[in-house]
Amino acid sequence: SYELTQPPSVSVSPGQTARITCSGDALPKQYAYWYQQKPGQAPVLVIYKDSERPSGIPERFSGSSSGTTVTLTISGVQAEDEADYYCQSADSSGTYSVVFGGGTTLTVL
Amino acid sequence: QVTLKESGPALVKPTQTLTLTCTFSGFSLSTSGMRVSWIRQPPGKALEWLARIDWDDDKFYSTSLKTRLTISKDTSKNQVVLTMTNMDPVDTATYYCARLYGSGKPYDYWGQGTLVTVSS
Repeated sequence: SYELTQPPSVSVSPGQTARITCSGDALPKQYAYWYQQKPGQAPVLVIYKDSERPSGIPERFSGSSSGTTVTLTISGVQAEDEADYYCQSADSSGTYSVVFGGGTTLTVL
Repeated sequence: QVTLKESGPALVKPTQTLTLTCTFSGFSLSTSGMRVSWIRQPPGKALEWLARIDWDDDKFYSTSLKTRLTISKDTSKNQVVLTMTNMDPVDTATYYCARLYGSGKPYDYWGQGTLVTVSS
């Protein structure tokens, strides 16, 4: 089955740049989406279609894509950005299926 | 204002069938392009997509769980129902419903989730 691979954890100091990667064979053909999830809360969309930012999401959140890897970048990380981040995409094998990455815990030191 | 809310039993016994209801407002599932999915998250683990139903009653299921899942909608009541048969302790999770509007679009609105524990 199709999988998206994320690093389990990323740690940065406040004000630094955090980069969270997500790798998957179908990513050149399918859009990726990023969700932020804080403890006890539902996920919140922070990036869609690889690099688009929904209204209300701070400009420090950005997304990019290169080949089979997409990257969520948080510039000038703030303490409130500490959360789990999940990438999401779709299988391109013909059978519709949504896939989430394993999630990355961002720790703000 | 778009809202979704999950409801159902907090505790089910192994082998029982789980029935969850997603009641939503602020949109209609009869609108072309509208879709609602169920997604779950075991405690401390990652999100897992389960199923999707579209405005035209198209249905899609997780390959690994499709034999156990049924998704349906009641447009007049603004509800989507998910049933999962033969529940097992590994199915213990928070179950979310989420809205998707259009093709190649993200889940833009999520319910608060409901925790279902499977235990005898």
